[in-house]
Amino acid sequence: GAGVSQSPRYKVAKRGQDVALRCDPISGHVSLFWYQQALGQGPEFLTYFQNEAQLDKSGLPSDRFFAERPEGSVSTLKIQRTQQEDSAVYLCASSLIRDRGLYEQYFGPGTRLTVT
Amino acid sequence: DQQVKQNSPSLSVQEGRISILNCDYTNSMFDYFLWYKKYPAEGPTFLISISSIKDKNEDGRFTVFLNKSAKHLSLHIVPSQPGDSAVYFCAASVGNTPLVFGKGTRLSVIA
Repeated sequence: GAGVSQSPRYKVAKRGQDVALRCDPISGHVSLFWYQQALGQGPEFLTYFQNEAQLDKSGLPSDRFFAERPEGSVSTLKIQRTQQEDSAVYLCASSLIRDRGLYEQYFGPGTRLTVT
Repeated sequence: DQQVKQNSPSLSVQEGRISILNCDYTNSMFDYFLWYKKYPAEGPTFLISISSIKDKNEDGRFTVFLNKSAKHLSLHIVPSQPGDSAVYFCAASVGNTPLVFGKGTRLSVIA
């Protein structure tokens, strides 16, 4: 079946511009996660949804970052007034809660954001 | 403070031999551990996982070992193939919570 898809794959923004990154999770997956990956680092957690409820946004680096999942499927990560330090790959992952709470997160290809 | 550490940034192995990738963690509350493989310009791909109630899980050429007392896990790949060359990430979580990742180990399998 179809995996997690993200768009756009690449985005170049001028400093100060707003950007919106989209994630289409695997159909039926309850949980959706956003991660940020800087060059040479592992992915770092940004925010997490269970259906349409945003359960944890403790990883969002500033109030310029905002995420939503209004109908419990597609999610959008918005960054306002982009700064150079926002340049990174933004990864979306979805998961299906299985028996005994075991699950795997399946990742999309990511959106590489470059702020100039 | 890094909760999940992969202390070897890179590893080279001959084709056909065993690759052993290591990971240490500090949070004793972690109860679920995963390994992901990442190729350039792609997202991480799930490889294998283990819960804290087990000490070993096997899937084909891949085996993950968990030593809870040492807070250490390892991924064994036998036999290693050139297509295994990628960056491998170790990740951990407490139940159904966001994953905490290590910085990754770049594996090169030489033909």
